[in-house]
Amino acid sequence: QKEVEQDPGPLSVPEGAIVSLNCTYSNSAFQYFMWYRQYSRKGPELLMYTYSSGNKEDGRFTAQVDKSSKYISLFIRDSQPSDSATYLCAMSLTQGGSEKLVFGKGTKLTVNP
Amino acid sequence: GAVVSQHPSRVICKSGTSVKIECRSLDFQATTMFWYRQFPKKSLMLMATSNEGSKATYEQGVEKDKFLINHASLTLSTLTVTSAHPEDSSFYICSAKASWGLQPQHFGDGTRLSIL
Repeated sequence: QKEVEQDPGPLSVPEGAIVSLNCTYSNSAFQYFMWYRQYSRKGPELLMYTYSSGNKEDGRFTAQVDKSSKYISLFIRDSQPSDSATYLCAMSLTQGGSEKLVFGKGTKLTVNP
Repeated sequence: GAVVSQHPSRVICKSGTSVKIECRSLDFQATTMFWYRQFPKKSLMLMATSNEGSKATYEQGVEKDKFLINHASLTLSTLTVTSAHPEDSSFYICSAKASWGLQPQHFGDGTRLSIL
């Protein structure tokens, strides 16, 4: 079983739809949970960052963490064509005194106008 | 805030050339920087962790003599791919983590390296 599982999609939705992206994980040592957005031929851009169970909202984005179920989600409201990108979940833990960031494989999202 | 600049964005060079990639944190100090490699349609693979003023820590399977890392200041880390060969062609991405508090990694825009 991989440490972080993420459905690669692709996911295609109409403009204005609510998008739900999910990751599951197996290592209970993960401390911080992040969502990054990556456009083609660009580096990942941090969208959300949290370390506790519950919801965190920022504009059209809501990150949800359920540590008991080892499950994290990202919701995008009123999706726009500019949201079309690959979304990566990432989780971090401290190992041997240094941080390790473990990524999901990424979900490719297309928002159609 | 939290801007990471990576340069160059694109390099095309002949086999046997050494290539240097720079990673700068523009508006924060970063004790730790990270270097990743990303293959097409794959996720990021950590190559090494770079700490300011000390030797980098390489992941298993990454040749330290091939991928030289220098982190001479709190805002700059460099990756040099020595004697590059076509199999080194890839997308290299750096990230930086602020020195204070519980901060996430912020990524540069990557360098696309093509070895002919």
